[in-house]
Amino acid sequence: GQQVKQSSPSLTVQEGGISILNCDYENDMFDYFAWYKKYPDNSPTLLISVRSNVDKREDGRLTVFLNKSGKHFSLHITASQPEDTAVYLCAAGQGGSAKLIFGEGTKLTVSS
Amino acid sequence: GALVYQYPRRTICKSGTSMRMECQAVGFQATSVAWYRQSPQKTFELIALSTVNSAIKYEQNFTQEKFPISHPNLSFSSMTVLNAYLEDRGLYLCGAREGAYEQYFGPGTRLTVL
Repeated sequence: GQQVKQSSPSLTVQEGGISILNCDYENDMFDYFAWYKKYPDNSPTLLISVRSNVDKREDGRLTVFLNKSGKHFSLHITASQPEDTAVYLCAAGQGGSAKLIFGEGTKLTVSS
Repeated sequence: GALVYQYPRRTICKSGTSMRMECQAVGFQATSVAWYRQSPQKTFELIALSTVNSAIKYEQNFTQEKFPISHPNLSFSSMTVLNAYLEDRGLYLCGAREGAYEQYFGPGTRLTVL
């Protein structure tokens, strides 16, 4: 089954609003959670990540929230801009290895 | 900073032939390298994970016989797609990590099979 799941294939947000992207996972052993941004024909670019010993991490307009008991993490983008339009992939991993399991992606469109 | 290069960026091969792709880490030691494939209309699937001083681990549906991988040092890895067929087309990504730090991806090798 899908170990990491993004249930919303797409999301549209007005410019200036908050974009909230969600990700659910199954494996209790995951201890690393990341969000990547992907443009068409490009490889994923790491936006922000968090380890399992914290439940929140902020970086500028980006905040990751981790809910370990609910096996859920989310990415909040405040003051969304048209340049934020892209596919966002969540990923989870464990044990410091390069093995990441990706969600299927959510296409975010920020309309002006 | 940390960078990951992949080459070739794009390649076309005839059905039944093989092609090799390379991955180079610059600015950090790639103790762990993972190869992924994104097939059309799909997300990134892990093919195999290579960790220095450990055996390469392949995911279900992927085998060493089909996707042999070499990880000879802390800056380089290569993977070959043997006997490529239409279902092997897609974007192949190399992700490299130094210990428990962030994972960085190369730009990918896009494989087209004729």
